[in-house]
Amino acid sequence: DAGVIQSPRHEVTEMGQEVTLRCKPISGHNSLFWYRQTMMRGLELLIYFNNNVPIDDSGMPEDRFSAKMPNASFSTLKIQPSEPRDSAVYFCASSARSGRPDTQYFGPGTRLTVL
Amino acid sequence: RKEVEQDPGPFNVPEGATVAFNCTYSNSASQSFFWYRQDCRKEPKLLMSVYSSGNEDGRFTAQLNRASQDISLLIRDSKLSDSATYLCVVLQEAGKSTFGDGTTLTVKP
Repeated sequence: DAGVIQSPRHEVTEMGQEVTLRCKPISGHNSLFWYRQTMMRGLELLIYFNNNVPIDDSGMPEDRFSAKMPNASFSTLKIQPSEPRDSAVYFCASSARSGRPDTQYFGPGTRLTVL
Repeated sequence: RKEVEQDPGPFNVPEGATVAFNCTYSNSASQSFFWYRQDCRKEPKLLMSVYSSGNEDGRFTAQLNRASQDISLLIRDSKLSDSATYLCVVLQEAGKSTFGDGTTLTVKP
């Protein structure tokens, strides 16, 4: 079974540039989560979707961050404009409502460096 | 106060030792509880769910105490491969999880 797929795996960009992170959840899962992990702040939930609808975006740091889920198999997290303090590992995770609910399966992450 | 608090460690133990981690949560309405494991530069992966009755999976035992709002993880007969960061996770409401900052374990030969 394919797990959660994220791209790119690594991204290096300059301050002020737009960054788009992509995620494909596990097929059949209907909840999707975006997290950010840094040494200083640990793993932080940014936003999560149920059935493609954003439920809670209170973790999104500021207006420079936006997330979309146009369909059940794809989500994006966009940062525009990017800043050095956005440097982190961004994880996408998905979970199912049936079977083993609430267990989140994480993708490998995107390591973002903003210079 | 953080919603989920863990002792960051590090815990350095010899192979074969028994080690215990604890985690406390602040929201008494929390619904579900988990331990995840994260290896260096990898994604978190579910280790086990935690139930009030306690549950065991091989060398790992997890316990929830709702009265004191704490969660424990016991690892017996530790192996070198157990070296990782262990994350305590609390589900606050349907779909929204809060992760602790993690406890780092190093098992040495």
